[in-house]
Amino acid sequence: ETGVTQSPTHLIKTRGQQVTLRCSSQSGHNTVSWYQQALGQGPQFIFQYYREEENGRGNFPPRFSGLQFPNYSSELNVNALELDDSALYLCASSWADNSPLHFGNGTRLTVT
Amino acid sequence: GIQVEQSPPDLILQEGANSTLRCNFSDSVNNLQWFHQNPWGQLINLFYIPSGTKQNGRLSATTVATERYSLLYISSSQTTDSGVYFCAVKKRRGFQKLVFGTGTRLLVSP
Repeated sequence: ETGVTQSPTHLIKTRGQQVTLRCSSQSGHNTVSWYQQALGQGPQFIFQYYREEENGRGNFPPRFSGLQFPNYSSELNVNALELDDSALYLCASSWADNSPLHFGNGTRLTVT
Repeated sequence: GIQVEQSPPDLILQEGANSTLRCNFSDSVNNLQWFHQNPWGQLINLFYIPSGTKQNGRLSATTVATERYSLLYISSSQTTDSGVYFCAVKKRRGFQKLVFGTGTRLLVSP
């Protein structure tokens, strides 16, 4: 069974640029969610995708957007990067809304 | 929204000691998970435990849903247990996000 995989592991971007992070869900999982974890804090929910549709969103601006593909993999896109976007971005997958979430190892984004 | 509080915020143990971590939540939940985040940032599933008791090796967890708390027990701690322990919950009814607590930072010294 393949777990949740994320790429890249680390990324450095300049303020104002755009970034795309990628996530492959665990086999058999059709729901993907994204979380942002700032240094010293717990993960904060960004949004969730189920069968290629966004079905829940946290308190993040529209410049955070996403996609889910037919194979249930997902992308997180962030436009007009700000210094405060520097964080660990975690992707999680599950097979149903009430089932446990399984997290990838994350992408550490640094914005300079 | 739902509030999730964890205690203690920080814990320092000698190797071999036992500990109990607590998670209090403010509403009914249908999903409760305990995670261990290691120093490299990996978030590792420990338990999916919306109610009842489970054990996995040196770790065990109990959730008393009616009283809105969960406990994580670590016995015979090892240095590899160091890291941050998070409790995360989802409310009942409809779509709900997983809400994380503030975490307990554990340091196990040799």
